[in-house]
Amino acid sequence: AQKITQTQPGMFVQEKEAVTLDCTYDTSDPSYGLFWYKQPSSGEMIFLIYQGSYDQQNATEGRYSLNFQKARKSANLVISASQLGDSAMYFCAMRPSMEYGNKLVFGAGTILRVKS
Amino acid sequence: ETGVTQTPRHLVMGMTNKKSLKCEQHLGHNAMYWYKQSAKKPLELMFVYSLEERVENNSVPSRFSPECPNSSHLFLHLHTLQPEDSALYLCASSQDERGITGELFFGEGSRLTVL
Repeated sequence: AQKITQTQPGMFVQEKEAVTLDCTYDTSDPSYGLFWYKQPSSGEMIFLIYQGSYDQQNATEGRYSLNFQKARKSANLVISASQLGDSAMYFCAMRPSMEYGNKLVFGAGTILRVKS
Repeated sequence: ETGVTQTPRHLVMGMTNKKSLKCEQHLGHNAMYWYKQSAKKPLELMFVYSLEERVENNSVPSRFSPECPNSSHLFLHLHTLQPEDSALYLCASSQDERGITGELFFGEGSRLTVL
């Protein structure tokens, strides 16, 4: 079954510190993609980072990096040097196979609060 | 400013009302999507349109009726809804439905409350 699991309903982090948001996934297809989206209080989902299952290196985008551990089926998001504006809901998502195209499966999300 | 705009941002309706949600994308994309976001639940894909043709209908009740008159506009017509249909309805678009990176561009959502 294709499933995304985010076990942390909420997280707190001190400003300027790093934080890791957990994500585990399940798919039987060897060719899949993993994504992280940010949803601020405005409601819009903002794409952050993408990791393909065959990518040799962990994806990075500015302060965001994806800790991809294929054997453990985990795709944790690491945010370095947290900022107050990082406070939002974060969703891990998966394209379970190439056939799914852009029809993504989402996790339940993690609320991140950055403290000053 | 988002390339995907949704109206209205907030909607309150009774169970016997008929209303519509509108989505417009200014990105030149060929695929558009409706997602439902309920409290404490993962986003649920409802409908997918590719080049104005519906390619996915995820067992959504018939009280939700989508319409895609062209590649830039997507509607969700609502009638005889139930209180459990109260949710944030998110519209998204992508270059095409079979994209490689799977990056979706979302609107800010329409918050629906059914009384």
